[in-house]
Amino acid sequence: SQTIHQWPATLVQPVGSPLSLECTVEGTSNPNLYWYRQAAGRGLQLLFYSVGIGQISSEVPQNLSASRPQDRQFILSSKKLLLSDSGFYLCAWSPGGFYEQYFGPGTRLTVT
Amino acid sequence: GDSVTQMEGPVTLSEEACLTINCTYTATGYPSLFWYVQYPGEGLQLLLKATKADDKGSNKGFEATYRKETTSFHLEKGSVQVSDSAVYFCALSDLQGAQKLVFGQGTRLTINP
Repeated sequence: SQTIHQWPATLVQPVGSPLSLECTVEGTSNPNLYWYRQAAGRGLQLLFYSVGIGQISSEVPQNLSASRPQDRQFILSSKKLLLSDSGFYLCAWSPGGFYEQYFGPGTRLTVT
Repeated sequence: GDSVTQMEGPVTLSEEACLTINCTYTATGYPSLFWYVQYPGEGLQLLLKATKADDKGSNKGFEATYRKETTSFHLEKGSVQVSDSAVYFCALSDLQGAQKLVFGQGTRLTINP
């Protein structure tokens, strides 16, 4: 069966510090991968998605970036965090050719 | 573009009450429709789905029917439990490409004992 992991689970970072969140999927190959952000009490905002290694599409201009160095690894980064980057970050995957997405447990980021 | 509209929350019910969370959509073509559930502090879980008109998705006592004529996919449950307290998201497949989902804003449901 397929499993999706995210780490860390929680993170507290000062403004201006760098960020690296990691997501990995097990038990499947060539998945589509997605990064979402969920602000407190709000809905989901799609940040990035990837349909293959090295292929990244950005949905919203911001100071975040994403990379996919391996087939089942998706990384969300920032060089300098802003207060507005605080939120709950969710990674998701979907099998190629299908729309349903499966979500990881999330990373709660607090920028202070 | 495609969009999903859910009923405003929060919704508060007593245990064993009937539940309906309304979801309507705007889309070109014939998208697949989904309901996701998010328990506090967790990621989203796929609750049910329907891929064509008149399909009924069901899981854990929840049901939703894909109604093309009313562009709706309302979530229903006959008797809710305290453990159903969560945020529920309606979503549709974005047929414009890249296999993305378009999510509604979410509806927070609280069930009191």
